[in-house]
Amino acid sequence: AIQLTQSPSSLSASVGDRVTITCRASQGISSALAWYQQKPGKAPKVLIYDASSVQSGVPSRFSGSGSGTDFTLTISSLQPEDFATYYCQQFNSYPLSFGGGTKVEIK
Amino acid sequence: EVQLVESGGGLVKPGESLRLSCAASGFTFSSYSMYWVRQAPGKGLEWVSAIDSSSSYIYYADSVKGRFTISRDNAKNSLYLQMNSLRDEDMAVYYCARKGTMIRGEGGWFDPWGQGILVTVSS
Repeated sequence: AIQLTQSPSSLSASVGDRVTITCRASQGISSALAWYQQKPGKAPKVLIYDASSVQSGVPSRFSGSGSGTDFTLTISSLQPEDFATYYCQQFNSYPLSFGGGTKVEIK
Repeated sequence: EVQLVESGGGLVKPGESLRLSCAASGFTFSSYSMYWVRQAPGKGLEWVSAIDSSSSYIYYADSVKGRFTISRDNAKNSLYLQMNSLRDEDMAVYYCARKGTMIRGEGGWFDPWGQGILVTVSS
């Protein structure tokens, strides 16, 4: 099974900051990676799929990069509504798997 | 509007059974693979099961294999999860989700998600 390791597990940042979250796969997954945002009490929402494709309706400050085993989610200028938990997910092969999550908190 | 609505959750004792349902609307249900994903209280996301559009391919996480059964009824636009021999560690919010693309093949990303339904396992 493919394991995804996200880092950091949490971070504190200010509005306007550039934020980078990394996701490392235990084996190569090509570009079969998605990123989700989850707010408390809500279902996750996809931000990025195929490692770098931005889902329709997602603000352009969100971007994704990487392939193989190393991936990055970047928020170019953090906004108040971006404080949430972010998860990566691989869909290269079953069993599908998620990273442990990164909680983005207000500094 | 694409919508997924879960139902059937509740409180059960260890060893008991429960059947979750997910009603889909706003898209051609029979064209998409569907998934169940769960989240234990205060924990991260865990993929549970997947079923392709025609029920030909079904997958389970090791943690539920042999106890849970996924199924679908394309005529009723509905997805199901039969959960038997429930354990304490199965307590979670269960989400149904659609595959993010109609393209067939291996797994996909999840989009959209239902609002989730709570399953509580406690004696």
